[in-house]
Amino acid sequence: DAGVIQSPRHEVTEMGQEVTLRCKPISGHNSLFWYRQTMMRGLELLIYFNNNVPIDDSGMPEDRFSAKMPNASFSTLKIQPSEPRDSAVYFCASIPDGPNTEAFFGQGTRLTVV
Amino acid sequence: GENVEQHPSTLSVQEGDSAVIKCTYSDSASNYFPWYKQELGKRPQLIIDIRSNVGEKKDQRIAVTLNKTAKHFSLHITETQPEDSAVYFCAAGGRYGNKLVFGAGTILRVKS
Repeated sequence: DAGVIQSPRHEVTEMGQEVTLRCKPISGHNSLFWYRQTMMRGLELLIYFNNNVPIDDSGMPEDRFSAKMPNASFSTLKIQPSEPRDSAVYFCASIPDGPNTEAFFGQGTRLTVV
Repeated sequence: GENVEQHPSTLSVQEGDSAVIKCTYSDSASNYFPWYKQELGKRPQLIIDIRSNVGEKKDQRIAVTLNKTAKHFSLHITETQPEDSAVYFCAAGGRYGNKLVFGAGTILRVKS
């Protein structure tokens, strides 16, 4: 397996534009997470899916953020409209079924909103 | 919900010395405590984990300890080497399936 795949790796966009980040989890993994990493706040959990269903989205900062998981092999995180303070590295991670197991991270998407 | 605090935020040690990073958690139902290492520009990767039925676990130069009563756990790196320089994250989970909440991270610099 190629691991968790995220695209794009880098995204530079203008304030106000819509941004869509994509993630393909490892095949067979039942849980998927979106995290945002900044120097100030570390790794923040944005949303957590289990079997394609959003379980906890309490970390989603505002209504401008939305996430979907239409099937077991694909998830998106959308920001509309984007703002400069959204600039960060966004990681997707997947975990196989069962308790207390390792989270596998994608390479991340570095988002810059100018 | 779970809240994980991690200290220190930065740590500089001389090569060969030991490094200790500490974390506290708030949810007494958490029972899984992994540690991740993130090298510059790369993704976080698991280096060691501990479950609540043990108090200590060791893997070569790294060890983790867990005190469930006090709700804190620590990462110990002995005989540090320059390649140990990275950001280290602790995390807690277990109450809500596989949900993991991370600490803010510790930047470890090993000076040679």
